[in-house]
Amino acid sequence: ETGVTQSPTHLIKTRGQQVTLRCSSQSGHNTVSWYQQALGQGPQFIFQYYREEENGRGNFPPRFSGLQFPNYSSELNVNALELDDSALYLCASSSAPLLAGELFFGEGSRLTVL
Amino acid sequence: DQQVKQNSPSLSVQEGRISILNCDYTNSMFDYFLWYKKYPAEGPTFLISISSIKDKNEDGRFTVFLNKSAKHLSLHIVPSQPGDSAVYFCAARYSGGGADGLTFGKGTHLIIQP
Repeated sequence: ETGVTQSPTHLIKTRGQQVTLRCSSQSGHNTVSWYQQALGQGPQFIFQYYREEENGRGNFPPRFSGLQFPNYSSELNVNALELDDSALYLCASSSAPLLAGELFFGEGSRLTVL
Repeated sequence: DQQVKQNSPSLSVQEGRISILNCDYTNSMFDYFLWYKKYPAEGPTFLISISSIKDKNEDGRFTVFLNKSAKHLSLHIVPSQPGDSAVYFCAARYSGGGADGLTFGKGTHLIIQP
């Protein structure tokens, strides 16, 4: 059984640039969610994708967008990067419906915005 | 406003003793609670959960207690082992909220002293 994998693991961008982060969900999982973890904080829900559509969103601006592909993998795109976007971005997969609430997380992509 | 609060940023416990990690929540709509454990450079891993219809759930050395009237839950680890040293996140969700994701606390860094 393959776990959740994310790429890249680390990247550095400058303010105003755009970034794309990628995630492959655990086999058998059809739902992907993304979380942002700033330094010293807990993960914060960005959005969730199910059947290639966004079906839930946290308190993040529209410059945070995503995609889910037919194989259930996913991308997180952030436009017009700001310094405060520096964080660990976690992808999590699960099986819908999310009855138990258990998510399986990847190791994350650490983004630094200079 | 934080809906899930972990007021102890760190906790040091001697090996073999009991570790008690606390979590408070403010949103009375939450009906499912989870604990995740995170090692450095890894994603959070699910540890144990509890539904709001229960007041206790046990899994091996780990027990979670829920006090709904106080909006408080705690994680007990007995006996504590060196491998338990990690950051522990309390998380909550409202199952009727669709795809709202999990709401996490800021985490408690548990250090098990030999």
